[in-house]
Amino acid sequence: NAGVTQTPKFRVLKTGQSMTLLCAQDMNHEYMYWYRQDPGMGLRLIHYSVGEGTTAKGEVPDGYNVSRLKKQNFLLGLESAAPSQTSVYFCASRRQGADTQYFGPGTRLTVL
Amino acid sequence: GDSVTQMEGPVTLSEEAFLTINCTYTATGYPSLFWYVQYPGEGLQLLLKATKADDKGSNKGFEATYRKETTSFHLEKGSVQVSDSAVYFCALIRSNDYKLSFGAGTTVTVRA
Repeated sequence: NAGVTQTPKFRVLKTGQSMTLLCAQDMNHEYMYWYRQDPGMGLRLIHYSVGEGTTAKGEVPDGYNVSRLKKQNFLLGLESAAPSQTSVYFCASRRQGADTQYFGPGTRLTVL
Repeated sequence: GDSVTQMEGPVTLSEEAFLTINCTYTATGYPSLFWYVQYPGEGLQLLLKATKADDKGSNKGFEATYRKETTSFHLEKGSVQVSDSAVYFCALIRSNDYKLSFGAGTTVTVRA
């Protein structure tokens, strides 16, 4: 039981490049989330999903897209990376009816 | 909207000192309240939680009491250790919502 895993752990991009971050959970959780963590700002919600095939916008969705084609995976895409997207990205999942979220180890992204 | 305010850091303490991190919240209804901890280089882990007024959450020597009258959920530990050095996040979720609202985080460093 690996919990929530994220790949890659680190990535450096040039402005304008694209990439996809993968989140996988093996707990059969219905809800999944993508957050970004920036100094002094806590965690801010980018997008979330309440089930396979559904996604919704969070607080800071601009510049990101997501997909939830399989229940266990939640992908975060950056189509044209900008320096403002330099951050640490965390994925989390939660069982329907529960209130505790389980977090992955994070992906540190630098956009030059 | 919902919001969480926690004391700014960083906080530096000596081993065996008493730790308090203040957290207050704004939310409609009766949210569940959480403290998450992030150790260096890791993702967030649930430290403790409380789901209704006057509940006390506790774990690893940490405690926090849900005070509805003061809309607070202050974190305390009577005798900290070097291993308690981490970033601590206060958070809330409303029962009819999907999303956690986080405070900005408080960095705690404990010196031997």
